[in-house]
Amino acid sequence: NAGVTQTPKFQVLKTGQSMTLQCAQDMNHEYMSWYRQDPGMGLRLIHYSVGAGITDQGEVPNGYNVSRSTTEDFPLRLLSAAPSQTSVYFCASSPTENSYNEQFFGPGTRLTVL
Amino acid sequence: RKEVEQDPGPFNVPEGATVAFNCTYSNSASQSFFWYRQDCRKEPKLLMSVYSSGNEDGRFTAQLNRASQYISLLIRDSKLSDSATYLCVVTLTTDSWGKFQFGAGTQVVVTP
Repeated sequence: NAGVTQTPKFQVLKTGQSMTLQCAQDMNHEYMSWYRQDPGMGLRLIHYSVGAGITDQGEVPNGYNVSRSTTEDFPLRLLSAAPSQTSVYFCASSPTENSYNEQFFGPGTRLTVL
Repeated sequence: RKEVEQDPGPFNVPEGATVAFNCTYSNSASQSFFWYRQDCRKEPKLLMSVYSSGNEDGRFTAQLNRASQYISLLIRDSKLSDSATYLCVVTLTTDSWGKFQFGAGTQVVVTP
């Protein structure tokens, strides 16, 4: 199993550009989520999904969209990039909705918005 | 006030020594607790869950104090490879995927 994969690893955008961060998992996990990690802030939840076709907002959803058309894929779209969205983005998955389950993280995407 | 707070460190620890640090949480309804490890510029990985009775995994011991609302992690016989940032994770309910709360992490540096 590849686990959780994310592409790209690095990205530089100009203010106002849009892009999609890709996330895929091959563990047949129902639950997937996107976090951003900023210095001194800890990981903050952007959006999450409890299964194909079902998504919901996390703590910091503004400026981001998600969709979950398949169990495997959970892309994150930046609609109009802003410098405040410069961060490291992690995708995570977990087998079930039970919050005692381990979360498996992808390697991250380092995004810089100029 | 942050929901989950950690001393950012760094904790500089000689190889072979013991280091311990805490994580405090603000919501008394918190249900499950974890320690994750994050190496520099890498993704977080689960180190261990924290159970009410406390638990041990090799050189690592985790404790939960519900009365004072904190969890702790103790590392014995520190190795150079233990150098990392340790993230405290708290969840509010047992069935709410959306309510994981991460601390900002405690950095541990083990020196030869």
